[in-house]
Amino acid sequence: GQNIDQPTEMTATEGAIVQINCTYQTSGFNGLFWYQQHAGEAPTFLSYNVLDGLEEKGRFSSFLSRSKGYSYLLLKELQMKDSASYLCAVRDRGGGYNKLIFGAGTRLAVHP
Amino acid sequence: DGGITQSPKYLFRKEGQNVTLSCEQNLNHDAMYWYRQDPGQGLRLIYYSQIVNDFQKGDIAEGYSVSREKKESFPLTVTSAQKNPTAFYLCASSMQAGANTQYFGPGTRLTVL
Repeated sequence: GQNIDQPTEMTATEGAIVQINCTYQTSGFNGLFWYQQHAGEAPTFLSYNVLDGLEEKGRFSSFLSRSKGYSYLLLKELQMKDSASYLCAVRDRGGGYNKLIFGAGTRLAVHP
Repeated sequence: DGGITQSPKYLFRKEGQNVTLSCEQNLNHDAMYWYRQDPGQGLRLIYYSQIVNDFQKGDIAEGYSVSREKKESFPLTVTSAQKNPTAFYLCASSMQAGANTQYFGPGTRLTVL
């Protein structure tokens, strides 16, 4: 079957570092995405990993280990505006079509 | 500015009525998608379209219908057959089906009274 797990909620302090984990089980893995979604708004693209390793983009980094079915999103120098939900999504090519399977999201609260 | 627009932002419907949600994109993307988002759950795919005049059912298509008569437009109709239609509906597009990144519209929150 297909399954994506990520923590429901996390809290962190402004200026700190937080790591949001995502584990997945899919039959035809073909890439992993992280999206940020503020309440009531559209998800916005943060990062994409298809090969093992770390991808860095400013304050945000994303890591992938395909053998372990594991990814994390690392947020550095946290700001209040980083309070949002973070969605892990796996692209799965089962059925002859690349479709995105989303986790339920991790709601991050950043406190002063 | 290029992007995806959805209208209306908020929609109220009485039970037993059909309602159509609009989605328009000017990104010249071939593929478009409709998702439903419920509290505590991931986005679930309702329908997708890889090209004009073609569309396929997603994981939860029952009670919904779509059309793709123009490349720019992919309206979603929520019919009275949908048992639990109250949700946040998101439209997305990508350059091609299965392409790297899907871009999302601002969403429509549908409430059935």
